[in-house]
Amino acid sequence: ETGVTQTPRHLVMGMTNKKSLKCEQHLGHNAMYWYKQSAKKPLELMFVYSLEERVENNSVPSRFSPECPNSSHLFLHLHTLQPEDSALYLCASSQERGAGAFFGQGTRLTVV
Amino acid sequence: AQKVTQAQTEISVVEKEDVTLDCVYETRDTTYYLFWYKQPPSGELVFLIRRNSFDEQNEISGRYSWNFQKSTSSFNFTITASQVVDSAVYFCALSGGPISSGSARQLTFGSGTQLTVLP
Repeated sequence: ETGVTQTPRHLVMGMTNKKSLKCEQHLGHNAMYWYKQSAKKPLELMFVYSLEERVENNSVPSRFSPECPNSSHLFLHLHTLQPEDSALYLCASSQERGAGAFFGQGTRLTVV
Repeated sequence: AQKVTQAQTEISVVEKEDVTLDCVYETRDTTYYLFWYKQPPSGELVFLIRRNSFDEQNEISGRYSWNFQKSTSSFNFTITASQVVDSAVYFCALSGGPISSGSARQLTFGSGTQLTVLP
């Protein structure tokens, strides 16, 4: 069992659909993250959840909605996406400041 | 603001050659952390190393070695005797900021270097 598990691994959705990405970490970490990786671009931090705070990247469109019910689970709810939202979405977790994040295998999202 | 620059977009080497991946960073924080990650075709980002700003000692792990130079704000990664399995995208990353700030947990990534090792 890997430390950070993401489901599904691949997702194709229409622009009018609603779907959710799921992330689960088995490392006992207290912070979780969503990153977006588009072709030819650096990884972009989308959202951070920790015991202390939720830090949200203001540039993330409202069609992306995170949910963190507990320290082990993180969701990314998707609705009315655009084709340019097609990307690899990576979940990560970390325990402490500067410890580095451990990543899941990602969800390859295609919006048609 | 923090910034990480990986000027080498793509590198190709022949197996058994040594290869160095460059990383230059910018930060105003006095305490910060540097990382290298490997991303194979499967997509998962694999953590390779962490280095804090107070420790400039170079590190070697098997065929991997890292050269941290604060004076030039660089954190370069060398693979010795490269192998085909080393083919991947390699990312350098930086985190820093006040302990009370959520930014301390956030990683700023470079754009990555695609390494191809040919047999």
